[in-house]
Amino acid sequence: DIVMTQSPATLSVSPGERATLSCRASQSLNYNLAWYQQKPGQAPRLLIYGTFTRATGIPARFSGSGSGTEFTLTISSLQSEDSAVYYCQQYNNWPPWTFGQGTKVEIK
Amino acid sequence: QGQLVQSGPEVKKPGASVKVSCKASRYTFTSYGISWVRQAPGQGFEWMGWISTYNGDTKYAQKVQGRVTMTTDTSTSIAYMELRSLRSDDTAIYYCARGPPGGYGYPDLWGQGTLVSVSP
Repeated sequence: DIVMTQSPATLSVSPGERATLSCRASQSLNYNLAWYQQKPGQAPRLLIYGTFTRATGIPARFSGSGSGTEFTLTISSLQSEDSAVYYCQQYNNWPPWTFGQGTKVEIK
Repeated sequence: QGQLVQSGPEVKKPGASVKVSCKASRYTFTSYGISWVRQAPGQGFEWMGWISTYNGDTKYAQKVQGRVTMTTDTSTSIAYMELRSLRSDDTAIYYCARGPPGGYGYPDLWGQGTLVSVSP
């Protein structure tokens, strides 16, 4: 199975600042990577799929980039409502889906 | 856009079975597959398996193979996940998630989760 590694585990960012989250895969993913946001007590919400494409209704401040085994989620201007845990997920080698362990974004 | 609503929390003893339901609405049930993913307390996500809502084909994770059965009822647009011989490490929030009909692809819609607690 492909192992997904996210860094950092926790990120503390001031409102309006940029947040950069990293995700590394143990094998090349051919851009088949998604990002999810999960707030306490809620289900995950799809943010990005295909490395770059924002899901329906996702604000433009969220963007994805990367290729091969290295991927990034950027929140360009952090808002208070962006406090959450963010997960990357690969779907290139299925089954199974595999997920990173998450990055917790805190508002400073 | 769609909605997945899961059944309520369950408390079970080791060795028992649990069956979690996931009712789909606001989309054509048989146009998407359903996967089940669990999240143990403070842990990440673990994919458990997938079922085709079109023909009932299934794929299960090796870790739960032999203990899990996924089914669907297309007349009511409900997917089910049954896990048998429960152990304490099965304690987790169980999510259903909608994905592409053939399974390959990303989940774009998740249920709200069902907490299953396994304790003596």
